Amino acid sequence: QKEVEQNSGPLSVPEGAIASLNCTYSDRGSQSFFWYRQYSGKSPELIMSIYSNGDKEDGRFTAQLNKASQYVSLLIRDSQPSDSATYLCAGATGTASKLTFGTGTRLQVTL
Amino acid sequence: KAGVTQTPRYLIKTRGQQVTLSCSPISGHRSVSWYQQTPGQGLQFLFEYFSETQRNKGNFPGRFSGRQFSNSRSEMNVSTLELGDSALYLCASSFLAGVSNEQFFGPGTRLTVL
Repeated sequence: QKEVEQNSGPLSVPEGAIASLNCTYSDRGSQSFFWYRQYSGKSPELIMSIYSNGDKEDGRFTAQLNKASQYVSLLIRDSQPSDSATYLCAGATGTASKLTFGTGTRLQVTL
Repeated sequence: KAGVTQTPRYLIKTRGQQVTLSCSPISGHRSVSWYQQTPGQGLQFLFEYFSETQRNKGNFPGRFSGRQFSNSRSEMNVSTLELGDSALYLCASSFLAGVSNEQFFGPGTRLTVL
């Protein structure tokens, strides 16, 4: 079982809709979670970080963390074609900077 | 503020050779981590350096090594290259080391082993 799991997709949403990306993790010691966006042929770009239970909003993006359910999500409101990319969920445990990544969910925003 | 820079951007090597990749972190950042990204395995942690010391190492063979200099720049070395080492090698920097520190990736070095 992978430590961080994501549905590989593709997740297809129409322009203007809300995209919901989900991630589960197996290590209960995981403390910090990060969402990265990666365009094809490019490196990952940090979108959001979340450390405590609840919601964290930044512009069109909302990250949600539920440590009891070991679940992290990213909501993208008013999805745009430029949001089409692979979204990577990553967790960090203990005192380490080591990030454990999921395999990523490919998001397609259609016109 | 300039981002993370990595050189070279592309490399082609043959089996058995060795390679050195370089990473310059964001100005003021003292922690550098290295990751390998392949289509089959995804993004995997290689190692992390902070204040010239390796703090963590991933599950990679000893052919993979690295170091960090006093100006926080880092290099990673892969000796006796194998075909399976073909990958995108990514460097990420953060202000400090530790679980809550956000990491910012450089553009990567794409290594092809023939």
